[in-house]
Amino acid sequence: DVKVTQSSRYLVKRTGEKVFLECVQDMDHENMFWYRQDPGLGLRLIYFSYDVKMKEKGDIPEGYSVSREKKERFSLILESASTNQTSMYLCASTRLRGGVETQYFGPGTRLLVL
Amino acid sequence: AQSVAQPEDQVNVAEGNPLTVKCTYSVSGNPYLFWYVQYPNRGLQFLLKYITGDNLVKGSYGFEAEFNKSQTSFHLKKPSALVSDSALYFCAVRPSPENTGFQKLVFGTGTRLLVSP
Repeated sequence: DVKVTQSSRYLVKRTGEKVFLECVQDMDHENMFWYRQDPGLGLRLIYFSYDVKMKEKGDIPEGYSVSREKKERFSLILESASTNQTSMYLCASTRLRGGVETQYFGPGTRLLVL
Repeated sequence: AQSVAQPEDQVNVAEGNPLTVKCTYSVSGNPYLFWYVQYPNRGLQFLLKYITGDNLVKGSYGFEAEFNKSQTSFHLKKPSALVSDSALYFCAVRPSPENTGFQKLVFGTGTRLLVSP
């Protein structure tokens, strides 16, 4: 079974802090994604990566950056956390670029910014 | 641009009754359609997908979905609901890879299913 893990289930940070969310997948998937989930808005794509060191903006990249130094790991960085970034963050991965394989999701990180 | 609509924020059904969770989509070209489920404090889990072929797709946990091209719908169904089916359900769409470049998955806003004993 594919396993996608996220470094924290819950995080509490203060406004202005730099926040790192880590995601690791164990199935050699090429594509990895970061979404945020908010009530009434569903899932919105923040960034994705289709290869090591490659990244592309999703629908809502403002205030975020990402890093993919190794194929199995995709990090989301909040450079200066703000209260409007309080949300559930979900990481996902798929095998092939442009393919229709299922997206496999991690358990999510619920971030609260005070 | 592609989009997905889930017109119901919540669906209530009694255990043992059939359930339907609605989804309509808008996409250029042929759609690839997905249903995911999210249990409390969990990530999303894949239920089923439609790529091509038979309009009735069977998935995990006894769920199925019917692709209707003329109505641009992909409703999720189950003949007999269980209390354990209570969760948040997301429909998602992406265009078929006839277009070049990366085609992202677009999710609906989710429908909460509540199955009462």
